[in-house]
Amino acid sequence: KNQVEQSPQSLIILEGKNCTLQCNYTVSPFSNLRWYKQDTGRGPVSLTIMTFSENTKSNGRYTATLDADTKQSSLHITASQLSDSASYICVVSAAGGYQKVTFGTGTKLQVIP
Amino acid sequence: KAGVTQTPRYLIKTRGQQVTLSCSPISGHRSVSWYQQTPGQGLQFLFEYFSETQRNKGNFPGRFSGRQFSNSRSEMNVSTLELGDSALYLCASSRTGDFTGELFFGEGSRLTVL
Repeated sequence: KNQVEQSPQSLIILEGKNCTLQCNYTVSPFSNLRWYKQDTGRGPVSLTIMTFSENTKSNGRYTATLDADTKQSSLHITASQLSDSASYICVVSAAGGYQKVTFGTGTKLQVIP
Repeated sequence: KAGVTQTPRYLIKTRGQQVTLSCSPISGHRSVSWYQQTPGQGLQFLFEYFSETQRNKGNFPGRFSGRQFSNSRSEMNVSTLELGDSALYLCASSRTGDFTGELFFGEGSRLTVL
């Protein structure tokens, strides 16, 4: 069964600090992995999309890494800001389209001053 | 460029009623997909439409249905509402219909069933 597990479930950090969120998956055959940011009460916004051949992708202060061998991904946030407070969702898809998409339950990040 | 628009944003229904939610995709996007999001289950895929055809369907009962119009706007319908249908319903649009392209989500329709 395809699964995506994210850790930690929740995290509190001080403004200006860095943090790393983890995503482990068992989806096969792998097609792509995405990280989304979802503010409370809003729709998810895409941060990065990575395919099998990509192992690092950046979007501003957000850097995602992918290790296809160990089936792990991480999202690193540098110099956190209050606006980074949100849920971060890892989504992994297998070849075969929408029916092969597995969502993680997310990491809830709170950045405090 | 206008984003994905969902209406209504909030609605309250009672058990047994039905509800219709609307989604207008980004101009030029032919794929619209729908998702249910609850605190316990997270995001779950409902179905996806491409050029008016439902091409993919998640594991939801037949009470959940949808359609797509020639202008790519989509609606989803939930009949005989149950308390467990309370959720945030999100739609997303994409140029491609195979989950390889970028997905753009709307703000969602929050449904409360009493």
